[in-house]
Amino acid sequence: KQEVTQIPAALSVPEGENLVLNCSFTDSAIYNLQWFRQDPGKGLTSLLLIQSSQREQTSGRLNASLDKSSGRSTLYIAASQPGDSATYLCAVKRNNNDMRFGAGTRLTVKP
Amino acid sequence: DTAVSQTPKYLVTQMGNDKSIKCEQNLGHDTMYWYKQDSKKFLKIMFSYNNKELIINETVPNRFSPKSPDKAHLNLHINSLELGDSAVYFCASSQVGAGSSPLHFGNGTRLTVT
Repeated sequence: KQEVTQIPAALSVPEGENLVLNCSFTDSAIYNLQWFRQDPGKGLTSLLLIQSSQREQTSGRLNASLDKSSGRSTLYIAASQPGDSATYLCAVKRNNNDMRFGAGTRLTVKP
Repeated sequence: DTAVSQTPKYLVTQMGNDKSIKCEQNLGHDTMYWYKQDSKKFLKIMFSYNNKELIINETVPNRFSPKSPDKAHLNLHINSLELGDSAVYFCASSQVGAGSSPLHFGNGTRLTVT
C-alpha cells in the first residue's frame, strides 16, 4: 500500500528565504509524482509533474527533485514571497488511475 | 474558460436527503476523478473513471455513485446523506495513457450535512 508523508506539516519563514519541502513515499514503483499548491477555500493548482524516469523539474523559482530508489521528493522554493503562502501537497501516481496524496505542508511567508 | 468546473460551490442539506454534485471538464481529458477532502485537509480518492473503466475506492460507501453522461462530465450522486459526509469534494481530470498529464482540479464543493 502506498503511503505519502510530508514534512514539515507547517513552516513559517521570512520573505526572501530559500526553503525545502519534503515528501516521502513507501512504494518506489511509481508512475509520476506531482506537486500542488492549495490556497484556502480553493482547489489544487498543479505546480510541477515529474515522470518516474526524471530526476527533477523546474518552473521559475520552483525546483522539484525525485529520488525513486529512496522514495523521496523535495520541492525547493527560491527567494520566497508572501504570495507563496499556501498549502503544498505532493501526490504519487502508482498506475494510471491511482494517485495518493500527502497531508500537505502549510507554508507561511512573512513580509 | 474554466478547465474543470463543479457546481454547486456550497451545499447545505439535512441528513437523509439525496444530493448531486456536477462536474464538467473542457480539456478533452479521458479520465475524471472525485476526491474527498476531510476536516484535516487530507485528500482521498473516491472514484476514477474513463470510458472503459470505473475504479472505486473500496472505502467509499455505496451511497456514493458516480454518473457520467459523457466523456466531459462526471457527476457525483449521494443517497441518504449522513453527518460524516460533510467535507469538501473535488472533481479532477487528466489524460491517462501514452504520456501522462498533470491532474487538474475544480475549485471544490463544500458539503455540509446538518
